[in-house]
Amino acid sequence: AQRVTQPEKLLSVFKGAPVELKCNYSYSGSPELFWYVQYSRQRLQLLLRHISRESIKGFTADLNKGETSFHLKKPFAQEEDSAMYYCALSYGQNFVFGPGTRLSVLP
Amino acid sequence: DGGITQSPKYLFRKEGQNVTLSCEQNLNHDAMYWYRQDPGQGLRLIYYSQIVNDFQKGDIAEGYSVSREKKESFPLTVTSAQKNPTAFYLCASSINWGDSPLHFGNGTRLTVT
Repeated sequence: AQRVTQPEKLLSVFKGAPVELKCNYSYSGSPELFWYVQYSRQRLQLLLRHISRESIKGFTADLNKGETSFHLKKPFAQEEDSAMYYCALSYGQNFVFGPGTRLSVLP
Repeated sequence: DGGITQSPKYLFRKEGQNVTLSCEQNLNHDAMYWYRQDPGQGLRLIYYSQIVNDFQKGDIAEGYSVSREKKESFPLTVTSAQKNPTAFYLCASSINWGDSPLHFGNGTRLTVT
């Protein structure tokens, strides 16, 4: 079965430090991958998708098919980045979400 | 202002009672979804609907039921058969089934005692 794993439940970094949220997936075809973010008291929303290859709020994510990974990176974390982050896989006409990683950026 | 509205925000029920969660969207999206969000388990798909008058079971449909009589509305009923109903429920929509991004509502927290 298709799966998405996010090994870290909680990731704490200091403001200004680099951050990497890990995401691995299992799917043999051509996946479409996304990162969704949920800030405190806000609704879950799309952060970025791999096909757009864009940087949103300083975050980037590169799809590595060889390692089946889609890690989310930001060179300098900000306190406002503190949130819950979900990696998601779309295959065919289905979605599957990872368990999420809570990012805490400390002052 | 377009979006998805879930109501109520908090819902409390006694064990053995059915309860219906509301989800309304004015985005003119064809597809709608219900997810359950539990700590450490991510989002799990309960039911989805590709179009009006059609819906399909997701990964954890047992103990739940839905209807899609109108494009804008996709209510979820948590029945007494659901063994662990206390959870946070998220409704989402997308332009078409399988398309993204998913647009999410603010969620309903259901507590059953």
